[in-house]
Amino acid sequence: DAKTTQPPSMDCAEGRAANLPCNHSTISGNEYVYWYRQIHSQGPQYIIHGLKNNETNEMASLIITEDRKSSTLILPHATLRDTAVYYCIVRVARTGNQFYFGTGTSLTVIP
Amino acid sequence: GAVVSQHPSRVICKSGTSVKIECRSLDFQATTMFWYRQFPKQSLMLMATSNEGSKATYEQGVEKDKFLINHASLTLSTLTVTSAHPEDSSFYICSARGTGEQYEQYFGPGTRLTVT
Repeated sequence: DAKTTQPPSMDCAEGRAANLPCNHSTISGNEYVYWYRQIHSQGPQYIIHGLKNNETNEMASLIITEDRKSSTLILPHATLRDTAVYYCIVRVARTGNQFYFGTGTSLTVIP
Repeated sequence: GAVVSQHPSRVICKSGTSVKIECRSLDFQATTMFWYRQFPKQSLMLMATSNEGSKATYEQGVEKDKFLINHASLTLSTLTVTSAHPEDSSFYICSARGTGEQYEQYFGPGTRLTVT
């Protein structure tokens, strides 16, 4: 079962930063947070992941709170191509390391 | 790198027939692959975990005799939907886990199955 909750939808103006929140209050100490996005009728695309520290790559930044109960994905300069469903996933720390997807946030970037 | 392909991308079959979907990791070896199903406007639902050379592990509520999974090599896993019915119509997505310690999954583009 998914261990994350996200708002169902968000809008963001093109060129502005998109901040997507995720709650994972039951996360265990050795469980990572992953972010993926899915554009309509395609497979999910990996964005970023982290354990404790904030992370940044060419696509986004991931801010994890000190208690690790929530995180925020930041797209620094949203473009129309960033319109997608964004999934925050806690990787299960057991054999198989499965991903259980929650409902995700549908982000619409507005021109 | 880390490309996963699926074949076919789209298939239509008649009720009662079986359909096989292939998932390949093109540029890396995947000891573990996963199969998901996604209904319209819903999230991805994990169906099973497939490890190379061993039996797949199915999630609760997924019929293992209906959804046959084979992972005979480090680059290929197949999902066979047996005796398909209209309610099996869905978007089937596979993913492959890399061999490093990061455990990220790389997803295929999905297969749209329509059972008539």
